[in-house]
Parts: sequence; structure tokens; C-alpha cells
Amino acid sequence: QVQLVQSGAEVKEPGASVKVSCKASGYTFSNYAMHWVRQAPGQSLQWLGWIHAGNGITKYSQRFQGRVTITRDTPASTVYMELTSLRSDDTAVYYCARATISGWENWGQGSLVTVSS
Amino acid sequence: DIVMTQTPLSSPVTLGQPASISCRSSQSLVHSDGNTYLSWLQQRPGQPPRLLIYKVSNRFSGVPDRFSGSGAGTDFTLKISRVEAEDVGVYYCMQATQFPVTFGQGTKVEIK
Repeated sequence: QVQLVQSGAEVKEPGASVKVSCKASGYTFSNYAMHWVRQAPGQSLQWLGWIHAGNGITKYSQRFQGRVTITRDTPASTVYMELTSLRSDDTAVYYCARATISGWENWGQGSLVTVSS
Repeated sequence: DIVMTQTPLSSPVTLGQPASISCRSSQSLVHSDGNTYLSWLQQRPGQPPRLLIYKVSNRFSGVPDRFSGSGAGTDFTLKISRVEAEDVGVYYCMQATQFPVTFGQGTKVEIK
């Protein structure tokens, strides 16, 4: 079955960077796109960006342009999301989600990133 | 950006009774390919979101048939025909017709 397993919780100081991983299994990794969204405490969902795992094409939210980078390691079936220049309002749970023609079928378990001095 | 507005934000429901959530987009969600990329997600407490409905009215695999989606253009509805205890959570509409992907504020369904 399809599984997306994300890396663990992180605590970072303001100004630092964080890199979250999402390891995929149970399907042909390079055939699908992966999205990243985040959810601040008690808030709705916010889209960060997307990568096609096959050709590596990416698209980012303008809101995070310049601060977010999404990459993939095809042999490892893993997608990464790096966010730089962290601020306290970047504290959130970060999710990866696999996109198919049916929508966002599968989600990772979430990775809590806490930004605090 | 396309703004997604959900109503109500909170929906206390009696077990076995229906529930309905509305989602309105600030512009049409019809894509140039003819599809409407409006989905509904369910998020139970402490869990990641889960896909319920895609392209307005298609129930995802394993989703009970008490969930249904309808609508067109800018107005969409999620209906639960008879609410069960396991349906407690927050429901989000989301659009993927146009980048950036955007989400509604969420509607909290709870049992009265």
C-alpha cells in the first residue's frame, strides 16, 4: 500500500533553516507529483509548493518564493522541503501529499517544526 | 489567488441527522481542460487530512456513501446524509484548478 513517511519533529531558532523529508513507498515514485502544505496551530492549510518526481519540475507559492526549495532523490524515493530564514510564524505541522488524477490521495503523517529562541 | 469561503465554520449535529457544508470560490474553478478541481478533505483530531471527494462529486476509494459532493462554477456543497460519531472533525474544501492551491477555512463538525 502507498505510504508517505515524514521525518521527525524539529526545533529551530529564528533565522535558521529546516529540511523535512517525505519517503514514499508502494507506488512508482517518478510517476507522480508531491505537494507540500503546512498547518499552523488551530489554522487551515497553506500550500507551499509542488514537485513532479519524474522530471523535477517545481512550482512554489509566491508567498514563500525565495525561502522554500523542494527537491527529490529518485533512487531513495524521497522528496525534501527546505524552508530558510525561519520566523516564529513558520511554526506549523508540515505535510507532504501525493497528487493523482483523483486528487491528493495520500498524505504523510506530518512533521512539526517549532521556531523558537 | 482564489479565495475559498466555507460556511458554516461550526456545525453541531445530532447523530443520525444530516449535515451540509457550503464552499464558495472567488472565481470559477472550471479548468481549461474542462475539469473542476474542487476536493473535500476530512481531518480528524490529531490526524493528517484525508481525501473524501475529488472533482466536485467523485467519492474517493473507501469513503462511505453517506458523503456526497455537488456544485459547479463557484458554489459547492458537501453533504453527510446521516452523521456518525466517526465523522467528527474539520472539513476543508480545496481548489487545485489554479496555482496557488488554496483551501477554505475549515468547518468543524461536532456532535450535539
